Amino acid sequence: AQKITQTQPGMFVQEKEAVTLDCTYDTSDPSYGLFWYKQPSSGEMIFLIYQGSYDQQNATEGRYSLNFQKARKSANLVISASQLGDSAMYFCAMREGRRLTGGGNKLTFGTGTQLKVEL
Amino acid sequence: DTGVSQDPRHKITKRGQNVTFRCDPISEHNRLYWYRQTLGQGPEFLTYFQNEAQLEKSRLLSDRFSAERPKGSFSTLEIQRTEQGDSAMYLCASRSRDYLADTQYFGPGTRLTVL
Repeated sequence: AQKITQTQPGMFVQEKEAVTLDCTYDTSDPSYGLFWYKQPSSGEMIFLIYQGSYDQQNATEGRYSLNFQKARKSANLVISASQLGDSAMYFCAMREGRRLTGGGNKLTFGTGTQLKVEL
Repeated sequence: DTGVSQDPRHKITKRGQNVTFRCDPISEHNRLYWYRQTLGQGPEFLTYFQNEAQLEKSRLLSDRFSAERPKGSFSTLEIQRTEQGDSAMYLCASRSRDYLADTQYFGPGTRLTVL
């Protein structure tokens, strides 16, 4: 089974509108972290937002917010007031297991959603 | 405050040649990761270093691949006898020594093309 599922290969949104990018995850570990990264055509992975499994509040970072629904195992990214510069590939990723001093806690990524912001 | 840097940004090589990539993490970060990303896919984990110790390797890391981090600072990833299937983006990421700091910060990547 896929650990991270992003079901939207591509999305279009009008400038200044809000958009939601879907992410569902699968883990039996009670401790995990969820991340969203943005990858422009240049290739660099840019960190956007993080949600820990024990966090009570949904994470927010400027125009980005994470709609965390633990029971449904979903961690959707909401981008408010879209800008042309938001056009990029967006990846959801998960870290499983406790953040141990000796543990690597590698990330598992989904296949991404290509977002295109239109005028 | 410099981010993660990688060199070279692009590498074109012929099948059978050896290639080496370098990653310089954020200066105070002691954890370093290598990932590989093929076209249309998300990055896949290759290996992890804490300081100079290589603590985890993926099954993806065949015996043609070797990674080092000799002084716990920069890291190198070498691919011997390259194959066309090695063509991919190789991404390096680093993470703080603070175990509560969960975020991995990525470099710009090295795009490898094997002809």
